[in-house]
Amino acid sequence: DVKVTQSSRYLVKRTGEKVFLECVQDMDHENMFWYRQDPGLGLRLIYFSYDVKMKEKGDIPEGYSVSREKKERFSLILESASTNQTSMYLCASSRAGGPIQYFGAGTRLSVL
Amino acid sequence: KQEVTQIPAALSVPEGENLVLNCSFTDSAIYNLQWFRQDPGKGLTSLLLIQSSQREQTSGRLNASLDKSSGRSTLYIAASQPGDSATYLCAVDGPSGSARQLTFGSGTQLTVLP
Repeated sequence: DVKVTQSSRYLVKRTGEKVFLECVQDMDHENMFWYRQDPGLGLRLIYFSYDVKMKEKGDIPEGYSVSREKKERFSLILESASTNQTSMYLCASSRAGGPIQYFGAGTRLSVL
Repeated sequence: KQEVTQIPAALSVPEGENLVLNCSFTDSAIYNLQWFRQDPGKGLTSLLLIQSSQREQTSGRLNASLDKSSGRSTLYIAASQPGDSATYLCAVDGPSGSARQLTFGSGTQLTVLP
């Protein structure tokens, strides 16, 4: 069965903290994605990766970085968290060339 | 830049009704259109995928249609049930941007009343 696991369902952090959001998939997918979801704005792509150590910016990469050292794991990093990064973060994966993305359950991050 | 719009933002219907959710997109050069379901506080589940060469796809009580030239898709839900209550999102992928990227609408929040 397809599985994308995000390490935390809920996180509360302080402004200025460095925050790591972790995502692991067990489907040997080449592509992995990080989105944020805000009311009325839908899902917006932050970064994606199509191979180990490869990454591309999405629509809203500012304030974020990513790391993909192993095929199954894709990390989203907030170098210095700010209140406007309070959001629901969703990770997804797909096979190379495949249109269907499989999503994790999401991490709701609050930055105080 | 591709933009995807979903109308209405919210919809409430009594159980048993047939209903239609709408999705429109600005750039007709798409590869695929997908409909997703999202339950509160959860991730997304893919419901239906329509390739650009197809006109519709069906799964159980769900039927999705695609009119690529006019930039429109509809999701038809027959005989709605309270368990259908969720947010439904449509998304497209295509040469606007990377073929690996999906552009999402903001969703329609559906409530089916018992």
